[in-house]
Amino acid sequence: GAVVSQHPSRVICKSGTSVKIECRSLDFQATTMFWYRQFPKQSLMLMATSNEGSKATYEQGVEKDKFLINHASLTLSTLTVTSAHPEDSSFYICSAPRGGRDHGYTFGSGTRLTVV
Amino acid sequence: AQSVTQLDSQVPVFEEAPVELRCNYSSSVSVYLFWYVQYPNQGLQLLLKYLSGSTLVKGINGFEAEFNKSQTSFHLRKPSVHISDTAEYFCAVSDWGSSASKIIFGSGTRLSIRP
Repeated sequence: GAVVSQHPSRVICKSGTSVKIECRSLDFQATTMFWYRQFPKQSLMLMATSNEGSKATYEQGVEKDKFLINHASLTLSTLTVTSAHPEDSSFYICSAPRGGRDHGYTFGSGTRLTVV
Repeated sequence: AQSVTQLDSQVPVFEEAPVELRCNYSSSVSVYLFWYVQYPNQGLQLLLKYLSGSTLVKGINGFEAEFNKSQTSFHLRKPSVHISDTAEYFCAVSDWGSSASKIIFGSGTRLSIRP
């Protein structure tokens, strides 16, 4: 079935550095990728929607310059957390709609980001 | 815009007892409804989804849910829970507008199973 591979699964970085998270669709073309953030014991909050070949759409309150999203190809979308701070520590999950009549979504396994 | 409300943040249940996790949605258009399960530090796994047709939907791991349009509800049920069902459960909604519509999640319900 459709698989989205998300890397890294865990990352620890120093405050002020940048971290890149990748999501690859392995056996289907993901023209759209949704990026979510999940704080401990909370729900998934949609951050932004990336579309291959165009600019990402950010949800209200999400800083575009801090969370850089690139959808370079039909199989790769990346989220870069720039100048990370401890408050950016969270669980980040990507999701790609598979489209068609199935109307299914495939989720990555998530990235646990810890900023120290 | 759509929204999802999960009325219970935590539900403690004894093993082998039945359970119902409640979900209500709000939308001005027709929607698709989903239930996902999340185990600690993992991604999401789809339990079941309602797209159209029969209002009673059966999913994996013995779960089922019933779509009730008049009550705008999509409650999740299981007749007999197991310790392994301990996890976080999310109800979610997306609209019919596009096969690439964003999916909105409820706040989640933590199901804890007591032996």
